[in-house]
Amino acid sequence: GQQLNQSPQSMFIQEGEDVSMNCTSSSIFNTWLWYKQDPGEGPVLLIALYKAGELTSNGRLTAQFGITRKDSFLNISASIPSDVGIYFCAGQRSYQLTFGKGTKLSVIP
Amino acid sequence: EAQVTQNPRYLITVTGKKLTVTCSQNMNHEYMSWYRQDPGLGLRQIYYSMNVEVTDKGDVPEGYKVSRKEKRNFPLILESPSPNQTSLYFCASSLGPGQPQHFGDGTRLSIL
Repeated sequence: GQQLNQSPQSMFIQEGEDVSMNCTSSSIFNTWLWYKQDPGEGPVLLIALYKAGELTSNGRLTAQFGITRKDSFLNISASIPSDVGIYFCAGQRSYQLTFGKGTKLSVIP
Repeated sequence: EAQVTQNPRYLITVTGKKLTVTCSQNMNHEYMSWYRQDPGLGLRQIYYSMNVEVTDKGDVPEGYKVSRKEKRNFPLILESPSPNQTSLYFCASSLGPGQPQHFGDGTRLSIL
C-alpha cells in the first residue's frame, strides 16, 4: 500500500505554545484530511482540503494542501490541554484513504 | 443525530470461531469502509464499498469478508479469526468519492 510520512511522531509542548505537524507522500492526492483521535474513540475530522495550495482554518487550527499535492501541514495555535490526542493526516484519492501513522500531542499545563 | 454505529464495541473470542462486526450509518452515505488500527502502523483500509452490492479490497483484506446488501449496513466478517487479527477496527462512511469520511467509535477485537 501507499505510505504517508507523518512527523513528528510525538511532541510535548507547554500550554499556549503553537504546534506544527506535517505529512509527505511520494504519491499525489486529490484531498488531504486531518483527523484527531481521543482515547477510546474514532477519528474525528478537523479539516478537509480539496485544492492544491488551499489554506483552511478551523478555529485555532490551520492546514494547507501543498502545491505539489504530495504534502500537507497542520498548525495549532495557542495550545490548550484539550488539544491532547493523536492527530492523523490522510490522503484521499477517489474511494481510497491512506493514513499517516499519527502525531501524539501532549500539552503540559 | 448523524452517526456511524458499530457493534459490538468489545469482543474476546477464540481462534476459528466465526464472528461478524456490524456497522450502520444513518446519513444515507453511498460510501462505507472498514479499517484496522494497530500500534505503530496507524489505520489501514481493509475493504470499502462504493454502493449497494459494490465492494473492493483495501490494503489489508486477507482474512476478512464484507457485504453491502443495503445502503446503511456494511458488516465485517471474520470467517476463521486468528490471533493476528486482534486489533481495533473502525467503520467509516462518506457521501461519495473525495468526500471526508466519518468514523464510528471502534470495535476492539481480541482473538485468543
